[in-house]
Amino acid sequence: GAVVSQHPSWVICKSGTSVKIECRSLDFQATTMFWYRQFPKQSLMLMATSNEGSKATYEQGVEKDKFLINHASLTLSTLTVTSAHPEDSSFYICSARDRFQGSYEQYFGPGTRLTVT
Amino acid sequence: EDQVTQSPEALRLQEGESSSLNCSYTVSGLRGLFWYRQDPGKGPEFLFTLYSAGEEKEKERLKATLTKKESFLHITAPKPEDSATYLCAVQAWSNDYKLSFGAGTTVTVRA
Repeated sequence: GAVVSQHPSWVICKSGTSVKIECRSLDFQATTMFWYRQFPKQSLMLMATSNEGSKATYEQGVEKDKFLINHASLTLSTLTVTSAHPEDSSFYICSARDRFQGSYEQYFGPGTRLTVT
Repeated sequence: EDQVTQSPEALRLQEGESSSLNCSYTVSGLRGLFWYRQDPGKGPEFLFTLYSAGEEKEKERLKATLTKKESFLHITAPKPEDSATYLCAVQAWSNDYKLSFGAGTTVTVRA
């Protein structure tokens, strides 16, 4: 149980283009999903909190117009990196919390490696 | 602001050599402390949640404990497959389910 998938697992795009990353909870419903980025040999940095049916909440320093988040259903959230630049190259990981579970842990997806050339 | 400090940064163990990882934290109103395991190029895998001081949880060769200021992850008789980065994270009651992560401890177990 508590499986989260991400698609794609890796993507290479050209500078100036946009790329969409999907995050799905496969066997549970998630009213809240989270998006993180992780640079090599560093820990996870929270980018934004995605709530089903409402606007995402972004962490300080994260450009909301650059990282568009949509949480259209209880099992799907998407992150779109708009006008990507090489400095956006990173490992993007989503997580989800089971809305019906009494505990508070988050379950993570396998991550998406984005390379902007 | 919530703070999580993990030590050591890296740990090299011989197979069977037990050891402990430390996670020191500062948080206003701890809802939970979480341990995750992360393999290279993959997302974190959930291990444990600890809610109150004195609580302990075990899973195979891993045991997590919690005090009011820190948590320990004990690895008993580790095997090479226990090699990974272990991440500690805290969640505050006031923080809308957000996790604040430490930098992690990278454990390497040699056969």
